[in-house]
Amino acid sequence: AQKITQTQPGMFVQEKEAVTLDCTYDTSDPSYGLFWYKQPSSGEMIFLIYQGSYDQQNATEGRYSLNFQKARKSANLVISASQLGDSAMYFCAMRENSGYSTLTFGKGTMLLVSP
Amino acid sequence: EAGVAQSPRYKIIEKRQSVAFWCNPISGHATLYWYQQILGQGPKLLIQFQNNGVVDDSQLPKDRFSAERLKGVDSTLKIQPAKLEDSAVYLCASSLRAGQNNEQFFGPGTRLTVL
Repeated sequence: AQKITQTQPGMFVQEKEAVTLDCTYDTSDPSYGLFWYKQPSSGEMIFLIYQGSYDQQNATEGRYSLNFQKARKSANLVISASQLGDSAMYFCAMRENSGYSTLTFGKGTMLLVSP
Repeated sequence: EAGVAQSPRYKIIEKRQSVAFWCNPISGHATLYWYQQILGQGPKLLIQFQNNGVVDDSQLPKDRFSAERLKGVDSTLKIQPAKLEDSAVYLCASSLRAGQNNEQFFGPGTRLTVL
C-alpha cells in the first residue's frame, strides 16, 4: 500500500486565487511528521512546511498552510494568493519516527498558475 | 550559508558504462542522503549516512550501486554498470542530524541519461 497518496496529477489556478493540493497518508506509527516540498523546473527540492503528528495547531508559513486532519489521515497544502512563481511540482512526504526516520514521498502534483 | 553542492549537473552515458556523482553537504550536517527520482515520480531514498556510517541502504541496488562518505563530509554515488532504467535525477540532501522534524536541504541534482 502506498504510504503517501497525491491524487491530483495537475492543478490550475489563476494568479491571486487560493489553491489546495491534496495529500493522504497511511501509517500505524503514532509519531510521524508530514512535509511539503516544492520542485521548480530547475530541479532542486525546496522545503515549504512541516506538521508533526502531535502538533495541536495547523502549521503555517507565510502564504502556505497545512490543513491537517489526523482522523482522516490527510495533510493538504493550501497556498493563498497564488503567484506566477508558484508554478512547480509539489510533493507531500512523511517521516515515521520508528525505524530509520526516512522520508517517503508521494508522486507529486504539478501546479500551474496563470495570469 | 552555502547549500548542498552536486556535480555534475548532467551526465549522458551508454548502458553498461560506469558513472559517479559527487555531493558536498552543508557544513556541519551529520546526515547525508542520496535519492533517485525517476521522471513522473517522487524521490526514493537510496542510502542514508550518519557521519561516515551507513544508516539505511535497504533500497540501494547493491549489485550495481555503491556509495561512500569518507571522513563524514563529501559523498560519492557510483553506478557500475549502468542500465537504461537508471535514467533519473539523483538528488543529494543533508540535515543536521536524523530525526522526525529535522529539515532536509536538497542539492540541485544530477540528471543521468542512460542510452
